Amino acid sequence: AQSVTQPDIHITVSEGASLELRCNYSYGATPYLFWYVQSPGQGLQLLLKYFSGDTLVQGIKGFEAEFKRSQSSFNLRKPSVHWSDAAEYFCGSTGGGADGLTFGKGTHLIIQP
Amino acid sequence: KAGVTQTPRYLIKTRGQQVTLSCSPISGHRSVSWYQQTPGQGLQFLFEYFSETQRNKGNFPGRFSGRQFSNSRSEMNVSTLELGDSALYLCASSLDTGEGGYTFGSGTRLTVV
Repeated sequence: AQSVTQPDIHITVSEGASLELRCNYSYGATPYLFWYVQSPGQGLQLLLKYFSGDTLVQGIKGFEAEFKRSQSSFNLRKPSVHWSDAAEYFCGSTGGGADGLTFGKGTHLIIQP
Repeated sequence: KAGVTQTPRYLIKTRGQQVTLSCSPISGHRSVSWYQQTPGQGLQFLFEYFSETQRNKGNFPGRFSGRQFSNSRSEMNVSTLELGDSALYLCASSLDTGEGGYTFGSGTRLTVV
């Protein structure tokens, strides 16, 4: 069965600092990988996705993620965070088709002024 | 183009009642999947529909059911509501294989009292 692990429940960073959110997946083959962001009371907004090809993917809002097969990781990065980035971030994976998404528990990002 | 529309946004029901939630996918998307989000369990996959057929189901009791219509709109039903069914229910639409990513609606917040 697939599983996704986000080791950090909470992360606090200062505005303007760099950010890295960790995600590890467990799947027999290379899954489709996603990062979503959720603001309180809202649905999930897709930040970026990886299916194949270039292992560094660019997303919206200045985010990027790097797929590392050897480490089964898909970490999300941003060079300089803004106060508006404060939210819950979810990493997800799927084998595609009817599998549905398997999500990590999420990382709550707090931005310090 | 219009996003994924979920109705209603909020719902309060009494234990033992049943509830029906609706999801209209993005035009052209034929796959609709449903997720339950709770603070304790996080985001969990309920089921996925494609062309009016349920292709996959998560680990939920039979009280949770769904269907999809010929226009790809989907409904999910929960019968004999329990307090533990209180959650944010999210639906996501995608093309068949999910390569285009999964677009989520804003969710329906169900409270069971």
